[in-house]
Amino acid sequence: GAVVSQHPSRVICKSGTSVKIECRSLDFQATTMFWYRQFPKKSLMLMATSNEGSKATYEQGVEKDKFLINHASLTLSTLTVTSAHPEDSSFYICSASPKTGRVSGANVLTFGAGSRLTVL
Amino acid sequence: SQQGEEDPQALSIQEGENATMNCSYKTSINNLQWYRQNSGRGLVHLILIRSNEREKHSGRLRVTLDTSKKSSSLLITASRAADTASYFCASPMDSNYQLIWGAGTKLIIKP
Repeated sequence: GAVVSQHPSRVICKSGTSVKIECRSLDFQATTMFWYRQFPKKSLMLMATSNEGSKATYEQGVEKDKFLINHASLTLSTLTVTSAHPEDSSFYICSASPKTGRVSGANVLTFGAGSRLTVL
Repeated sequence: SQQGEEDPQALSIQEGENATMNCSYKTSINNLQWYRQNSGRGLVHLILIRSNEREKHSGRLRVTLDTSKKSSSLLITASRAADTASYFCASPMDSNYQLIWGAGTKLIIKP
């Protein structure tokens, strides 16, 4: 089945530094990947939609310059949290949908395992 | 953005009992999906039900859909400790595969 690999699973950084999170589709091509942020005991908050070869589409309230998304290939999207601050500490999750072979022809997403970011 | 609301927010039952979670949505849908999230992990797709379907089974999972009430339910029969997780419903927003998520139900199965 479709597998999405997300790295790192945990990262601790100092305030002011930048952190990059990678999301790779291992056995399928994904023209679209999604980045979410999840607060404790809360649902997923969609941050942006990452489109291969074009600029990401950000949700309202998400700072583009703060959360840089690059989707350079059909199997890789990256999220860079720039100049991280303690309030950026959160659980970040990516997801992707295969270009072909979707479940029952519908848009079912495959998720990465998530990345726990802690900014000191 | 979220259009789904799930209840209960939390559910704690004994192993072996059945667990029922409900999801309500606001707009018309083509399909509704249920996902599971183990603590600190990503989500896993469980089951999809289309708008023209009323009930669907997958192993110990049973999903119903009532489009007139804009609601869906997920039933887990003969629960196991390993079923302890958060369960989310989601429906596609548009052809770009974007899903709109419910708030989730945290299910705890007590041994």
